[in-house]
Amino acid sequence: AQTVTQSQPEMSVQEAETVTLSCTYDTSESDYYLFWYKQPPSRQMILVIRQEAYKQQNATENRFSVNFQKAAKSFSLKISDSQLGDAAMYFCAYRKTSYDKVIFGPGTSLSVIP
Amino acid sequence: NAGVTQTPKFRVLKTGQSMTLLCAQDMNHEYMYWYRQDPGMGLRLIHYSVGEGTTAKGEVPDGYNVSRLKKQNFLLGLESAAPSQTSVYFCASSYSVREGRQETQYFGPGTRLLVL
Repeated sequence: AQTVTQSQPEMSVQEAETVTLSCTYDTSESDYYLFWYKQPPSRQMILVIRQEAYKQQNATENRFSVNFQKAAKSFSLKISDSQLGDAAMYFCAYRKTSYDKVIFGPGTSLSVIP
Repeated sequence: NAGVTQTPKFRVLKTGQSMTLLCAQDMNHEYMYWYRQDPGMGLRLIHYSVGEGTTAKGEVPDGYNVSRLKKQNFLLGLESAAPSQTSVYFCASSYSVREGRQETQYFGPGTRLLVL
């Protein structure tokens, strides 16, 4: 069975600094998708970034980038130039290509210190 | 284009009462999902639907029923609410693999349910 682990329940970062959130997953598949979702206090889940496992190039979206290490089954999120609006719960998620069930990690709560 | 909407936003029930949560999407997505979110446990899939008229069980289906009579709507029902069902419920939708696009899931704003 696939599992997603986020070992950091809480993280904090100074405004304008960089922070990295960790995620590891377990799967026997070779092709799959990985995601980072952001959940602000408003509770709505917002997709931050996605990565296809068959792509070696790390995905980037503005200030957000990932470090995808397929062999190590690691998928970390780097947030550069942190802003107060980045404060939220961040969920790492896995989705097997041939199925549409997304498996979420337990989440990391990120605080941004002014 | 409203995306995914959920009704109601917040509800308080007494043990044993029933209610239905409504999810609607206007993106013509084939797949729809219901999740519950509890502290420290992330999101867990309750039921999902891969098309109009079809539903399937997720990780935690007990105590819930669903229906997908129209493609744009996905209803989650609690026949006899229990305190253990106090949670935040999220609906999501996506295109299907069959349509050739492995799209990501689009989430609604959530429904907070308190069962006393």
